[in-house]
Amino acid sequence: DTAVSQTPKYLVTQMGNDKSIKCEQNLGHDTMYWYKQDSKKFLKIMFSYNNKELIINETVPNRFSPKSPDKAHLNLHINSLELGDSAVYFCASSQVGELNEQFFGPGTRLTVL
Amino acid sequence: EDQVTQSPEALRLQEGESSSLNCSYTVSGLRGLFWYRQDPGKGPEFLFTLYSAGEEKEKERLKATLTKKESFLHITAPKPEDSATYLCAVQHNFNKFYFGSGTKLNVKP
Repeated sequence: DTAVSQTPKYLVTQMGNDKSIKCEQNLGHDTMYWYKQDSKKFLKIMFSYNNKELIINETVPNRFSPKSPDKAHLNLHINSLELGDSAVYFCASSQVGELNEQFFGPGTRLTVL
Repeated sequence: EDQVTQSPEALRLQEGESSSLNCSYTVSGLRGLFWYRQDPGKGPEFLFTLYSAGEEKEKERLKATLTKKESFLHITAPKPEDSATYLCAVQHNFNKFYFGSGTKLNVKP
């Protein structure tokens, strides 16, 4: 009965590789997000999707491409991985409306060697 | 520039020793301020939403308050299980959130 799930939990890969992280929510929410949490614990929004439509795209290298096949899924594909991409990536979802609290997944720790 | 600053970065308390965490923001057009708790190796967990200055919310040993420029998370008689990183986030517009870097709380028995 996990609300927001992500796979994989850990991802270790070499520089230059391409990898994907998957996210699914079973809360019936309309909006999903990707965040990057760096070593200083700052959570920075990368993308936001509402009903499969991209509505926020922060200053993120175009090596990062989100894909939302339906409103319950938001995947993150990363091309040509770099050392600086190492971080914890969190998926989150929220409902549209006044109660915008976000529900976060457990995170994916990406290590680029 | 829109910004959210939390202080202190880290806080060590003895069990039962009450204290407050601060979240100050310079985000225009505030729609809401959120507090989250994050345990090591896990995603943030929602605690409170505050919408307007003067508002207060309580949950067990935690109480969150909001003014026009800052929010406080008061912890009364904390227990070791309250140890975590507490994150503050400000909602700017429809779906844009700015997070602070958190306060890492350690409560010693």
